[in-house]
Amino acid sequence: EPEVTQTPSHQVTQMGQEVILRCVPISNHLYFYWYRQILGQKVEFLVSFYNNEISEKSEIFDDQFSVERPDGSNFTLKIRSTKLEDSAMYFCASSETGAGGYTFGSGTRLTVV
Amino acid sequence: AQSVAQPEDQVNVAEGNPLTVKCTYSVSGNPYLFWYVQYPNRGLQFLLKYITGDNLVKGSYGFEAEFNKSQTSFHLKKPSALVSDSALYFCAVRDISYFNKFYFGSGTKLNVKP
Repeated sequence: EPEVTQTPSHQVTQMGQEVILRCVPISNHLYFYWYRQILGQKVEFLVSFYNNEISEKSEIFDDQFSVERPDGSNFTLKIRSTKLEDSAMYFCASSETGAGGYTFGSGTRLTVV
Repeated sequence: AQSVAQPEDQVNVAEGNPLTVKCTYSVSGNPYLFWYVQYPNRGLQFLLKYITGDNLVKGSYGFEAEFNKSQTSFHLKKPSALVSDSALYFCAVRDISYFNKFYFGSGTKLNVKP
């Protein structure tokens, strides 16, 4: 069964550093997403991406965040200057249109020290 | 706006007993409802979904969920709990009308004791 692949599985970074989280969505999916889960809390929507642009973003997704689809297969989330409170599990997802398939990746655990 | 509520932060059950994890939803339009399970330091694992059809949905690992339109509920159930079922369970609704994003509940920690 096709999977959404996220790398790395765990990243530790120093406060103020830039990080890039990487995702390879399912190849025939058209919509791409990032979600965030602070330890032990609910999973929250960050951003959706369609047709090479952001289609929706939450209030969490401020100017320090950006997303990109640099080539035909990767989808990245960049955090420009990390803060301690950015420590969380970040999930990538991709979906077909309508009620079609929707798949979450296994997540990247980001630890900011 | 779409939302789901999980009224219990934690559910404790003895191994072998039936378990129920509650979820209620609020959606405009037809609900697309899901249950995910998360083990410690792991990702989200799909359990089951309701889109249309039978109100009783069967999923992975012996779990099932009952869609109740009048009560706007989608409770997760299992006839006989296992210690290995101990995990964090999330109910979610998918909003296909607007770029397909998921709204997750706050999660319920299931503790199954031997």
